[in-house]
Amino acid sequence: DAGVTQSPTHLIKTRGQQVTLRCSPISGHKSVSWYQQVLGQGPQFIFQYYEKEERGRGNFPDRFSARQFPNYSSELNVNALLLGDSALYLCASSPGAANYGYTFGSGTRLTVV
Amino acid sequence: RKEVEQDPGPFNVPEGATVAFNCTYSNSASQSFFWYRQDCRKEPKLLMSVYSSGNEDGRFTAQLNRASQYISLLIRDSKLSDSATYLCVVNPGLRDDKIIFGKGTRLHILP
Repeated sequence: DAGVTQSPTHLIKTRGQQVTLRCSPISGHKSVSWYQQVLGQGPQFIFQYYEKEERGRGNFPDRFSARQFPNYSSELNVNALLLGDSALYLCASSPGAANYGYTFGSGTRLTVV
Repeated sequence: RKEVEQDPGPFNVPEGATVAFNCTYSNSASQSFFWYRQDCRKEPKLLMSVYSSGNEDGRFTAQLNRASQYISLLIRDSKLSDSATYLCVVNPGLRDDKIIFGKGTRLHILP
């Protein structure tokens, strides 16, 4: 079984540009969450989607948006990129139940120059 | 008080020693707890869940103290391969909508 897959693995963008990151959860998992991890910090929660509906949103500006598709894959969009958006963006999938813990993809490393 | 707090370390521990980390959480209603391991420039990986009765997986033991609102991770007979950052994770509610990570504790096992 494939794990959580994210694309692209690395990305370089310039300030002001827009970026779309993609995630495919483990087969059978209906919940996808997005996290931002800045170097030296723990992952920070951005969004969670379950059954195509947003179930949680972290403390991020409206420049960040996401959606989940009928096949449970997900996209994270960031508009008007800032230098501070440079980070590792992690996608995690879970069956949906609170006690199972998450499985993370290997992440997309975004550099904004 | 931060939602989830960990000592960032680094903990420099000789191979074969026992090391323990604690993690405190602020929300007394938190429902589930986990330890994740993260290697340099890699994604976090689930190490173990933490149950109320405590649980053990080989050399690793996790404990939960609800009264004092902390969880702990004990590593016995540490190996060089245990060198990593250990992330404490707390789910504040029953819904799987926002789990909170600590900043992590860095562990270096010294040969």
